[in-house]
Amino acid sequence: DQQVKQNSPSLSVQEGRISILNCDYTNSMFDYFLWYKKYPAEGPTFLISISSIKDKNEDGRFTVFLNKSAKHLSLHIVPSQPGDSAVYFCAARSRRNTDKLIFGTGTRLQVFP
Amino acid sequence: GAGVSQSPSNKVTEKGKDVELRCDPISGHTALYWYRQSLGQGLEFLIYFQGNSAPDKSGLPSDRFSAERTGGSVSTLTIQRTQQEDSAVYLCASSYWGGVETQYFGPGTRLLVL
Repeated sequence: DQQVKQNSPSLSVQEGRISILNCDYTNSMFDYFLWYKKYPAEGPTFLISISSIKDKNEDGRFTVFLNKSAKHLSLHIVPSQPGDSAVYFCAARSRRNTDKLIFGTGTRLQVFP
Repeated sequence: GAGVSQSPSNKVTEKGKDVELRCDPISGHTALYWYRQSLGQGLEFLIYFQGNSAPDKSGLPSDRFSAERTGGSVSTLTIQRTQQEDSAVYLCASSYWGGVETQYFGPGTRLLVL
C-alpha cells in the first residue's frame, strides 16, 4: 500500500518556466512533509519542508503548497533552471512515529533550454 | 567535513550468496537509517538506529536481512542467501538526534543479484 504517491514519473519544462511537482498521500496521521532532490549517483538531499499547520512554505525559487483536505501537496519551482534537472521525492512523517519517513516513488524533472 | 559514505558503490552477486553493505555516517550523528530503492519504487525504510537504543527493525523485509551498528558509528547491512528481488539501491542516511529534515544520505550501493 503506497501511502505517498507521485503519479507523474517524469516532467519536462522549459528553462524559465514554472515546474509543478505533485504528491498525494493517504494517511491522515502525516503531520510533516518534505521534498528531497536526487542527482544521479548521489544520495537524496533535503530541499524544503512543510508542517501540517501551514498551507504554504517558500524558500527562494521553491514553494511547497499543502492542501490537507485533498491530502495533496505540490512543489513549485520558479523560474526553473537546467540545474534543477533531477529526481524529486516527496516524503511524509507520521505524528505517531516522528523518526521515520515514508517516501514517494519520485518524479524525474528535466529542464531544457 | 566528510559526508555519509557507503561501500561498495556497486555489487554484483549470484543468487544464494551473502552480501555485506557498509555505511560510514557523519561523525557525531547519533541516528542512522537504511533504505532501499527498488526499480520504480520509492525509498523503502528498512532499519533505524538511534544512539544506544534498540534498533527499529520494522522495515526489514525478511529474516535474511540484518544490520548492526558497531560503536555507535559504522553500520553493516547483511543480506543472506540473496534473491533476485533484493536487487536495488541501498541507501544509508544519518542525522543528529533523528531530525528527519536533517537526514544526510550517502550515495548508495547498487546491488544486482543475478
